[in-house]
Amino acid sequence: AQSVAQPEDQVNVAEGNPLTVKCTYSVSGNPYLFWYVQYPNRGLQFLLKYITGDNLVKGSYGFEAEFNKSQTSFHLKKPSALVSDSALYFCAVREDYGQNFVFGPGTRLSVLP
Amino acid sequence: DARVTQTPRHKVTEMGQEVTMRCQPILGHNTVFWYRQTMMQGLELLAYFRNRAPLDDSGMPKDRFSAEMPDATLATLKIQPSEPRDSAVYFCASGHPTTSGNYEQYFGPGTRLTVT
Repeated sequence: AQSVAQPEDQVNVAEGNPLTVKCTYSVSGNPYLFWYVQYPNRGLQFLLKYITGDNLVKGSYGFEAEFNKSQTSFHLKKPSALVSDSALYFCAVREDYGQNFVFGPGTRLSVLP
Repeated sequence: DARVTQTPRHKVTEMGQEVTMRCQPILGHNTVFWYRQTMMQGLELLAYFRNRAPLDDSGMPKDRFSAEMPDATLATLKIQPSEPRDSAVYFCASGHPTTSGNYEQYFGPGTRLTVT
């Protein structure tokens, strides 16, 4: 069975500092990995995905994520955080031959001015 | 800019009433998902469809919930009878797998349901 863990409920970072939101996963096959962001009273927005190829994936709004197969991780990163990045971030996984997306519990990111 | 739309955006109803939520997937997307989001449970998958056929509805309470796709442009989620514990935000998402199975989901803005 697929599963996703986001070990931090909350991440606080100062504006201008680098940020990392952690995600680890478990699948029996090859993973498709995704990051979504949710702003207050909005639906989830797709940020980026890893399917195959380069382990470093670049996405929207300056975010990137690094796939690490040995550590079964897919951490979200940004070199310089903005106050407007404050939101709820979800990691999701889908097995390559599976149909279902499994979402993590979410991590609330607060960027302090 | 293609988007998933959901109606209504907000719904307040009394316990025991029927609730119908509607979703219009992005044109051309053949896979539709229904999720429920609460503070306690996070994001839960209720059901999903491919080419209008239900693939998995194991996350849905069968006795009161039902999901259908009357046509390719409309998905519905019904609760009858509604209960206070159904209060949540319900999201619809759509996507279109490539031949390799590669795709992401696009979410609607959600329906905030309050059952009193």
